[in-house]
This record gives sequence, C-alpha cells and structure tokens, in this order.
Amino acid sequence: GESVGLHLPTLSVQEGDNSIINCAYSNSASDYFIWYKQESGKGPQFIIDIRSNMDKRQGQRVTVLLNKTVKHLSLQIAATQPGDSAVYFCAENAAAGNKLTFGGGTRVLVKP
Amino acid sequence: DTGVSQNPRHKITKRGQNVTFRCDPISEHNRLYWYRQTLGQGPEFLTYFQNEAQLEKSRLLSDRFSAERPKGSFSTLEIQRTEQGDSAMYLCASSLGEMRGYTFGSGTRLTVV
Repeated sequence: GESVGLHLPTLSVQEGDNSIINCAYSNSASDYFIWYKQESGKGPQFIIDIRSNMDKRQGQRVTVLLNKTVKHLSLQIAATQPGDSAVYFCAENAAAGNKLTFGGGTRVLVKP
Repeated sequence: DTGVSQNPRHKITKRGQNVTFRCDPISEHNRLYWYRQTLGQGPEFLTYFQNEAQLEKSRLLSDRFSAERPKGSFSTLEIQRTEQGDSAMYLCASSLGEMRGYTFGSGTRLTVV
C-alpha cells in the first residue's frame, strides 16, 4: 500500500507496551475533538471522541485526555498490538462550523 | 451498506485534463464532506453538503473545482484543467445530522503528470 505520510513524527513502541500520542490544537473555540487512525491506502478511521465539557474519556484499550488550559489532547493506547501500527491524527471542531481541522499526524510503529 | 464508497480508487491524468470523482455516502447520512490530503499532512476541508445543498466551501476550492450532490445522495467532485499541485488523495466522508464524527471513505488518489 501507499504511504500515508513520509515525514511524520514517529513513535516506536514494543508490542504490549502502552503508547501515548500527543496533539496540540489551535482554536480555543473548538469544543469537540476526535482521534482518527489511518492505515496505508485507507481513509481515516474514527477511534474516539471527546467534548470540551469532559477531560477524559475511555474506550476499548484507548483513553483520550483533554487539557483545555494548554490546548492539548492525548491518546493513550493500552497494550499496543501490531494492528495498531498506523498514522494517528487528532481533529478539532468548533461549534459554529461543521468542518474538522486536522493536526499533522503521528506514525506509530509497533515492534514485535 | 458497507460504508462510504469512493470511485475510482486511483486516477492518473495529464496536466490540463478534467477529472471527476464519485462518492456514495452511507445511505441514511444527510451530510457529505470532501477533504484533500497530501503526503505527510492531515486532511484539509474542501466543502460540505447537507442533503443537496452545498453549505460551506473552503478557500482551497478554487474555481477549477466544483462539487455537486444533485439528489442528496451521491456526490461528484470535478477538477477542471488539472495542475500538478492537484495531486493528492481526495477523501469523502458522511455523517448523520449533528453527529460530528464522520465516516470516511478510502479516498481517490489523483496523480497529475
């Protein structure tokens, strides 16, 4: 498959370890945030979302943390698996509009 | 219905030619979005439809680009007089009402030579 991104920050993690991916957002009016996973040759796949009235939300093996004070978002993946290898994007949405603004992405490589 | 479908998956065209891409959203979704993604970057918003009405367009959508959703179901994105800078992945997404987490298709990879 084709590469999603050639010069992305890369996080190498051992299989079974936890991963933490960070994202800084820019718009203080954003009130909804999403993490997407993108594998080579595929479109972004929804992982988890969080609204600005929360600071933490948990899914299956994933946790999103939101710090509105410093406009920072993180995605934690527990017990990282080879299938988690992909590029991860955070995206933000301001209540006034419908478009998502994406961050630059982080490549996660899981070592067996 | 298995998700958002985009055709073709890949398109190679000569500079100056016109191209058209098609997106079939999830059938019950009334909102449809087009994004463009270049290598190493996150997707960038192009335009958005609610049913057949085009409600928002990005400044990225030059006058060579036109998008339609004539019956509120599938959508087409046409690029006229393609330029090498148009080479990118064109992604379509859909959502239902106020649901803000879109479902994306697999995209159309355009290469302009």
